[in-house]
Order: sequence, then structure tokens, then C-alpha cells
Amino acid sequence: GENVEQHPSTLSVQEGDSAVIKCTYSDSASNYFPWYKQELGKRPQLIIDIRSNVGEKKDQRIAVTLNKTAKHFSLHITETQPEDSAVYFCAASKRDDKIIFGKGTRLHILP
Amino acid sequence: EPEVTQTPSHQVTQMGQEVILRCVPISNHLYFYWYRQILGQKVEFLVSFYNNEISEKSEIFDDQFSVERPDGSNFTLKIRSTKLEDSAMYFCASSRYLGSNQPQHFGDGTRLSIL
Repeated sequence: GENVEQHPSTLSVQEGDSAVIKCTYSDSASNYFPWYKQELGKRPQLIIDIRSNVGEKKDQRIAVTLNKTAKHFSLHITETQPEDSAVYFCAASKRDDKIIFGKGTRLHILP
Repeated sequence: EPEVTQTPSHQVTQMGQEVILRCVPISNHLYFYWYRQILGQKVEFLVSFYNNEISEKSEIFDDQFSVERPDGSNFTLKIRSTKLEDSAMYFCASSRYLGSNQPQHFGDGTRLSIL
């Protein structure tokens, strides 16, 4: 069935350094890849998304890349700040709308 | 900015009891979803709903679950006879269009605790 794998499960990064989270998906029909940030006890919040007709997208300190051939996509956060500490979920979706989430990466920004 | 609202924020229920979780999607949205997140785990799709019927449901969404849009604004998830393993955070989401990959907007969730 549809599956999204996400690595690492936990990531500790020194403040100011970059963080990279990687995901793979199984369903080649997936064409939409959102990334969500979830703070403790709160809703998942969409931070960036990418569609299958694009290889890379950037929004300030956040960038996503997509390799459709390899079915890989990644989130890159540069110049990390304490407020970046949260759980990040990658996800994949097909035209028929349901979102399949990865297991999440707990990102710790170290002072 | 319009938001998806969910009530209650926390529901405590005895095992075997029925529970109804309520959601008010964004007013001009047409597609509605329920997701579940067991503590410390990933968000899991339960069901999608469009045009007053279920579009798709997951294996989790068994006969104990049902959804309803009783009026023009509410979207509810009912669990008929709750089990301990139903304890989780339940998120409602809505989106405007299908097929153009419009982002789904999530509510703040209802934390369901089964005793």
C-alpha cells in the first residue's frame, strides 16, 4: 500500500547550522508533497509544499527538493533558530486527496 | 484568516460509550477529512467526505466509526462503542478543491481519552 518513510526520527543541530530531513514514498502516482511542522500539543501546520512538476522550491530559510525518479524528497532548513525546534512530518498525496504522513522527525536546535 | 474549528478540545469517555467529535470546516470548502494521531506517532488518515458521502476510508475506519454532515456547517465523527485504543488526537481538515492539490487546513484537534 501507500507508504512514506522518513529519516531521521530525531535530529539535533547546533543553532545556526543546517538541518536536512529525508523522505521516500512508494506510490509513483503521488504528485503533491507537503511538509508539516507540529509543536507539542498543536495542529500540524503546513510550512512548505512541492508539486511533482517542480524539482525544488525555496521559501526564505526553508527549501524542499523532489526527485521523482528516485521517489525521494527532502526538507532543508538553513540558519536554524530555537523556534525551529518541533516535529516535522513529510507527506505525500495523489490527486484523490488523502494525505499519507511519514513518522516524523523530532528536531532539536541546540544553543 | 479562516480556520477549521473543533470541539471539544479534550473529551474523556468511559470505554464502551459513544462519542461525537465536532468540526466546523472553513465555510467555502467542499472536501472534509478526519485524521488520527496516537501520542508520539504519525498522523493517520481515517476518512474523506465529499458531496454528503464518504469518498475514501482507511482500515482504521471500521463499523464503529461514522461521519456526518448534519447541516451546512458541521462535520462530525462518531465512535459508537469506544475502545482503549481509540485514545488519540483527532484532527479534522478541509480543503476547497480536489485534484489541484489545494492544501488541507487542519483544526487544533480533539484529544480523546478513553478510560
